[in-house]
Amino acid sequence: QSALTQPPSASGSPGQSVNFSCTGTSSDVGAYNYVSWYQHHPGKAPKLIIYEVTKRPSGVPDRFFGSKSGNAASLTVSGLQAEDEADYYCSSYAGTNIFVFGSGTKVTVL
Amino acid sequence: QLQLQESGPGLVKPSETLSLTCTVSGDSISTDYYYWGWIRQPPGKGLEWIGNVYYTGITYHNPSLKSRVTLSVDTSKAQFSLKLSSVTAADTAVYYCARSSYNYFYMDVWGTGTTVTVAS
Repeated sequence: QSALTQPPSASGSPGQSVNFSCTGTSSDVGAYNYVSWYQHHPGKAPKLIIYEVTKRPSGVPDRFFGSKSGNAASLTVSGLQAEDEADYYCSSYAGTNIFVFGSGTKVTVL
Repeated sequence: QLQLQESGPGLVKPSETLSLTCTVSGDSISTDYYYWGWIRQPPGKGLEWIGNVYYTGITYHNPSLKSRVTLSVDTSKAQFSLKLSSVTAADTAVYYCARSSYNYFYMDVWGTGTTVTVAS
């Protein structure tokens, strides 16, 4: 299966919001409410920040908001902070215990 | 607190087999609710799911890698393993092991990753 499509980059000033998409197909994102998002600081392990489209694990601030419409999911980070500068990857269940990741979005805090 | 740690050679020759092991500590590997998987990140590229193994030994693979991937689990050692055969330079990557929810399909605990370089 092909990687989910994400914009290569997004940016915002501290305190602002940034939003970016994760586009798949009717066989993955569109078919299941099992989209998750991961924050990845280079050199560190990726961190789960959203699962099942909208849910946040314990300890993840509510500045991170996930949504989905049709074959596309989105992640919004509000009240940008310097530590939010990272790469963000979406992932979707694609049926028969198969997973697919997005191409990644680099978020820059200006 | 669950922890995962990858181990294995950092350098593999082209055409040979890459072998990595992930050691699970802090919780049981024999759980009905999670499976154990591998993800990689080639230099300058995004994450790629390789496959998952359930504690019973059932495996699931990325179709694009399936013919070269072997996944296994050793519950007595609390370890699971990845073998990738016939490697090329394109298999050079940071390899992560992770725990995946069996029912809700997210990866909630990751290892720190290990760099594998394919070169002669």
